[in-house]
Order: sequence, then C-alpha cells, then structure tokens
Amino acid sequence: DADVTQTPRNRITKTGKRIMLECSQTKGHDRMYWYRQDPGLGLRLIYYSFDVKDINKGEISDGYSVSRQAQAKFSLSLESAIPNQTALYFCATSVGTGNSYEQYFGPGTRLTVT
Amino acid sequence: RKEVEQDPGPFNVPEGATVAFNCTYSNSASQSFFWYRQDCRKEPKLLMSVYSSGNEDGRFTAQLNRASQYISLLIRDSKLSDSATYLCAVNWKGSNYQLIWGAGTKLIIKP
Repeated sequence: DADVTQTPRNRITKTGKRIMLECSQTKGHDRMYWYRQDPGLGLRLIYYSFDVKDINKGEISDGYSVSRQAQAKFSLSLESAIPNQTALYFCATSVGTGNSYEQYFGPGTRLTVT
Repeated sequence: RKEVEQDPGPFNVPEGATVAFNCTYSNSASQSFFWYRQDCRKEPKLLMSVYSSGNEDGRFTAQLNRASQYISLLIRDSKLSDSATYLCAVNWKGSNYQLIWGAGTKLIIKP
C-alpha cells in the first residue's frame, strides 16, 4: 500500500466551485506539504504544516486554505476555484527531526477548472 | 537569481552514453541536497541524497561542490528507462529545512 495517498486523483470542476483535495500518510511523519506543479515552473509550495497546530503559508497561498485534521491528514481547499488553478497538485511528507528532511510524495491530483 | 537553478534541457542522449547535469544553489548555508526523478505526470521520487563525500548507487553518482555551490548527477551506461525529468532540491536552517526546488532537467535517452 502507498505511504502517501491523495484523493481524488483527477477532478474537473467549474469556476467558482469549492473543492477539497485530501492527503493521508502512513509514514508517521510530522511534516506535510502541499505543492502545485505547472509545466515549466517546477514545484511551488502552497502551504506546509510542521504538526497539527502549526500551519504555514508557502510562496503561493493566495486562493487556497488548508486543514491539518490529524498527524496523518492534511487537506487543501480551493474556496472559489478559478481556471488558473488548473494544475497538478502534490502532497508530500517529511520527518521533523534530524538532518535530512527528504520529502516523500503522494501520486498527485490533476485538477482542471473550466 | 533563483535560489536553485537547473538547465531545463532537454538533454538528448544515445542509449549507453554517460550524461551529467548540474544544479547550482545560491545559499552558502545550504545543508542537505537531493536528486529526485520525476516521470511524466507522476510524482517526484527520491533518487539520491547527496553527501559531502559524494555517493554512488549503481550507475548513478552524485557529487557536491560546496566551493562552487553546485551538485551534480552522473548517469553511466544510460538506459531508455532513465528518460525522465531530474529535479534537485536543497535545504538550509533558515528555510525551516523546507526543500527549495530546481525546475528540473529533462533527459531523453534515444535508442
């Protein structure tokens, strides 16, 4: 079974709709992240969380919100979707201690806003 | 200047050849370095961590040059299955140990 799962895997929605993307992990990691990826732009950090009570904005948080419901769950919401939020969204996790902090990714959610 | 930069490529390389690409970083306090592989429309997967002494895993060798602030990835005897985009990532204490990502280098291995 995958250590980091995302639902849904694909979603098509209309402009103005609210949508939630969910991420769950069984790796026992404290840190969780949401990224979006657009062709040619690489990975851009939307939000990250160091634990259930610690939520931080990334470089492109406008138009998004998050909720860390438990250590294992981190959801991303688009309150009112717009077409330029069409992208591939990844959730990732990492340990919160030590010297490495490598990240492990979920399979991604392909979101299309029409 | 971007914090982490990569040549976007694509690098078109014949099967069996050796290919190398670099990733430069701007913060001299960078502490950890990684290479990830990403197949089209898939998630990035950790390929190698990069250690100060360099490290090797089969056909893949990663090196760190702190003086010139870059890491490198060398692939020997390239296979068709090596075709992918290779992302580098760096962190430092001031970034809360978040990973700062390069935009990736696309590698195409041709038969």
